[in-house]
Amino acid sequence: QSVLTQPPSASGTPGQRVTISCSGSSSNIGSNIVNWYQQLPGTAPKLLMYSNNQRPSGVPDRFSGSKSGTSASLAISGLQSEDEADYYCAAWDDSLNGWVFGGGTKLTVL
Amino acid sequence: EVQLVESGGGLVQPGGSLRLSCAASGFTFSSYTMNWVRQAPGKGLEWVSSIGGSGNYIYYADSVRGRFTISRDSASNSLYLQMNSLRAEDTAVYYCARDYHILPTKLNCFDPWGQGTLVTVSS
Repeated sequence: QSVLTQPPSASGTPGQRVTISCSGSSSNIGSNIVNWYQQLPGTAPKLLMYSNNQRPSGVPDRFSGSKSGTSASLAISGLQSEDEADYYCAAWDDSLNGWVFGGGTKLTVL
Repeated sequence: EVQLVESGGGLVQPGGSLRLSCAASGFTFSSYTMNWVRQAPGKGLEWVSSIGGSGNYIYYADSVRGRFTISRDSASNSLYLQMNSLRAEDTAVYYCARDYHILPTKLNCFDPWGQGTLVTVSS
């Protein structure tokens, strides 16, 4: 059981906009930044979004992040086949004194 | 180019020990917090441990505290994870990851990541 809650799956057709949610509590998302990681099949995770809504160099602006209260979300617009991957949210937890991850959301591009 | 290369994984019996290494290059190793994150087969990511740039702070996940020890050596630009009293549930790919910025760890994120090394705990 992950500390952060994500839907296990999401899907969309090419060109659509999809949103992945991440729910936490006051000790993690409610008081700290949220990061998102993308894991393509058979590869190591890669940083996709940091500090709630900042994109690292090289990440297309089709990806955007937001945070409100104890929840965060990742939006992908103009969905492409290469976006098919697992997506994880993460935040520092002040009560656990460590990083916590969501269980991951498997995105399928139909 | 920043690069992280893990090694040391393998098959170990329950109760056994293993030491993972992560060779870092392309950046000033002593300036960055380093982390271990694991992923059990078919499962999600789980943070394991973090160590400050000078080793000045160390954090562990509850699931490994008392059994695993994180350390680093700036002379060889290497990160280590000594794993003792291994259990079947420790079976996972272990990734080494650097903090993205030179900032307090809770304000940070993990980038880049190594390719991972597989640890299998089984009799």
